[in-house]
Amino acid sequence: DGGITQSPKYLFRKEGQNVTLSCEQNLNHDAMYWYRQDPGQGLRLIYYSQIVNDFQKGDIAEGYSVSREKKESFPLTVTSAQKNPTAFYLCASSVIAGQGATNEKLFFGSGTQLSVL
Amino acid sequence: DAKTTQPNSMESNEEEPVHLPCNHSTISGTDYIHWYRQLPSQGPEYVIHGLTSNVNNRMASLAIAEDRKSSTLILHRATLRDAAVYYCILRGTNAGNMLTFGGGTRLMVKP
Repeated sequence: DGGITQSPKYLFRKEGQNVTLSCEQNLNHDAMYWYRQDPGQGLRLIYYSQIVNDFQKGDIAEGYSVSREKKESFPLTVTSAQKNPTAFYLCASSVIAGQGATNEKLFFGSGTQLSVL
Repeated sequence: DAKTTQPNSMESNEEEPVHLPCNHSTISGTDYIHWYRQLPSQGPEYVIHGLTSNVNNRMASLAIAEDRKSSTLILHRATLRDAAVYYCILRGTNAGNMLTFGGGTRLMVKP
């Protein structure tokens, strides 16, 4: 089945620790995104990538880092600089991004719940 | 992306139609109107989108006002599985073309 796979489903972070959330897609999409969702809130964009080896900061990038070495993969690292990391993290992809993508829909993974020990 | 305004919550009876409103008074001429829904503890899923004309698909219908400053998502017969948070989003031509998700409307369906 084609889709987006996020792992793990639940993750715990200790103080001062970096953790990495995995996101893999087999939809052959160029664009990938990371969102953060706090309880009862909407989604806020952390980072996005329009193409391999390129990514851009979203609205709340501080304390996070990403890489895009392969088209299928867009891992998110929550660094120790992120002081309030507890949230639900969602990865998404779309065929393309940019000015021609207003008609494109996003496909989301099932999310990773990150909590601080 | 331009901002949208939705009611925080709505309630419906099972098997009845549901009309979910969305205001987007600052929409630009090239913004598409997208609707997504999110079931508890899951990622959002695409529902429908449109530009100017009303749209229908197997999940729902989208009615867009003539001036495009508002739209309505219509679920023709609500089921318990339709209980979710529904997000109305404008997708524009900015550089990242990212979707900005506000708080959405929490739809509760009563049996």
